Amino acid sequence: ETGVTQTPRHLVMGMTNKKSLKCEQHLGHNAMYWYKQSAKKPLELMFVYNFKEQTENNSVPSRFSPECPNSSHLFLHLHTLQPEDSALYLCASSQESGTPYEQYFGPGTRLTVT
Amino acid sequence: GQNIDQPTEMTATEGAIVQINCTYQTSGFNGLFWYQQHAGEAPTFLSYNVLDGLEEKGRFSSFLSRSKGYSYLLLKELQMKDSASYLCAPVDSNYQLIWGAGTKLIIKP
Repeated sequence: ETGVTQTPRHLVMGMTNKKSLKCEQHLGHNAMYWYKQSAKKPLELMFVYNFKEQTENNSVPSRFSPECPNSSHLFLHLHTLQPEDSALYLCASSQESGTPYEQYFGPGTRLTVT
Repeated sequence: GQNIDQPTEMTATEGAIVQINCTYQTSGFNGLFWYQQHAGEAPTFLSYNVLDGLEEKGRFSSFLSRSKGYSYLLLKELQMKDSASYLCAPVDSNYQLIWGAGTKLIIKP
């Protein structure tokens, strides 16, 4: 239990569906991150929010849309995904971004796009 | 470009010692993290090195040589529960973690 929760843990969706992933951190952190983890590949940073402001968008396709209503909650809205988007989506938080604080990860959402 | 190189897989025996190496090239450097990730679980923090040398934390130690772009994670008295992937992640000039693909460590009885 790292203090970062993610729901759902597993999600199967069709290419025309719209779904959202949710992340919540109970650590009082100010930075939150979305990562994509595909088998045998490095973690890919998707988005970074620092004090609710988006500070990084690493060339992520527009079918992924993040939302950060406050420092404790982070969403990833999904629409018209492709099969290659199937992966483990990890949320993380840290004290702040722009500093080498350790990141605490949630358990991830295993996404399968059919 | 930025590059992280670590072995894909290693095998070791319970009770033994294993060293997992990581070489890196990054745009700037602000320290290096090691994380452990059990299959199907989230990565968890193991260590952070910013100065050259060895840092010891129980059965785990981490070493850094900034001039050589090299780090290693040393695991002593291996236990079956140490079977996991170990992720090397240097921090670049923008304070972004640059993740390696990880080393899958298999512990045999």
